[in-house]
Parts: sequence; structure tokens; C-alpha cells
Amino acid sequence: DVVLTQTPVSLLISLGGQASISCRSSQSLVHSNGNTYLHWYLQKPGQSPQLLIYQVSNRFSGIPDRFSGSGSGTDFTLKISRVEPEDLGVYYCLQRTHNPFTFGSGTKLEIK
Amino acid sequence: QVQLKESGPGLVQPSETLSLTCTVSGFSLTSNSVHWVRQPPGKGLEWMGIIRSGGSTDYNSALKSRLSISRDTSKSQVFLKMNSLQTEDTAIYYCTTSFAYWGQGTLVTVSS
Repeated sequence: DVVLTQTPVSLLISLGGQASISCRSSQSLVHSNGNTYLHWYLQKPGQSPQLLIYQVSNRFSGIPDRFSGSGSGTDFTLKISRVEPEDLGVYYCLQRTHNPFTFGSGTKLEIK
Repeated sequence: QVQLKESGPGLVQPSETLSLTCTVSGFSLTSNSVHWVRQPPGKGLEWMGIIRSGGSTDYNSALKSRLSISRDTSKSQVFLKMNSLQTEDTAIYYCTTSFAYWGQGTLVTVSS
């Protein structure tokens, strides 16, 4: 199974600051069709995960441009700029290139 | 708009079978896949399986021997059945379409 390693485990960021989360895969996430199926989610306390970024760098509907994704192959990064109070929660990466689909272990973002 | 809602028993006895229903609206099951994902309390996310638009299924190999996913397109419902439940199957169970839209989740506790 593909293992996604997320770092750091937790982040303490000031309001208005910037956060960066890494997701490293145990194997390339480039699908045979050429697409890379690496997505990013935020799970706010007591809520379902919400899709932020799909296929590495595409913002989902309604997601502000403060959220950006980048990377390729096995190394991916989510950046959150101008952190706001509603950004707190646990961030997960998901790969759906290889079966079984797998999630990273999560990064908890707390606001100073 | 796209909506998914999970339903089922909140409590299941060890060794018994879990049956959950995901009722969807705002999209067609014959055009979109639905996944089941679970999350033990305080822990990360685990992909369980998928039923595709054409009706084919795929399962996480770790659960394959115990898991079955089916659907009734006329009722816009997707079903999960998992047998031989143990305490470690206690989790919030989510259904999601294409990992973009998620239900609210339903907590299943396995306990005698």
C-alpha cells in the first residue's frame, strides 16, 4: 500500500501568518493516464472532511486563493497564507492513484 | 445541490454484521461513484471501498473478506455491509462521492 507521510504533525501559526504542510509518498503518484491524484482536505472539529485542493494544485469550488498546492511525483506541499481563525483543524492528504486509496496521518493546525 | 446522508444502527454487538445506508440527492448513482471512508474516534481516515457508476466495486484489501458494497439506483441509495465486527471497527462511517462531497457521517460503536 502507498504510505503518505505528512509533516509536521502539528503547527501553531499566528493569525495572518503562513503555514506549509508536506505530504511525501512511498511511491510515485503519477497515474498511467498521466494525471496525479493527490488531494488535500481540511477536517474542522466535529465536521466531515472538506476538499480544498484536487490533483495537486486545483482549488475546489469556493476555496479561497489563500490555499495553494504544489508538487510532483512523490513530494507535495499545501500552503496556507494569511491564516484565519476558520482554518483551524486537521489537514489530510489523500492519494487515489493506487488501490487501496490512502490518506496521510494528518497535520493539526492551531492558531496562536 | 449534492447531498449524502448516512444512516444505520449506532450500536452493534461484536461478531455481528453492520448494515449502513447512504442516501444521495443532487446527482445520479449511474453517473458518479460513491466511496465509503471510516474514522475511528480521534484517529485518521481509512478508505474502505467504492461502487462505481457502472456498478462495479473495489475494496480495501484489509477489509475485502468482510465487506460488501451495493446500491439501489431507483432509491438513490448505496449500502455497506461488513461482517464479523470487532471493537476496532468502532468509527464514524462516511460516504462520499468522488471524495468531493461528503455525508455528515454516522458513528458506529461495537460493544456488548
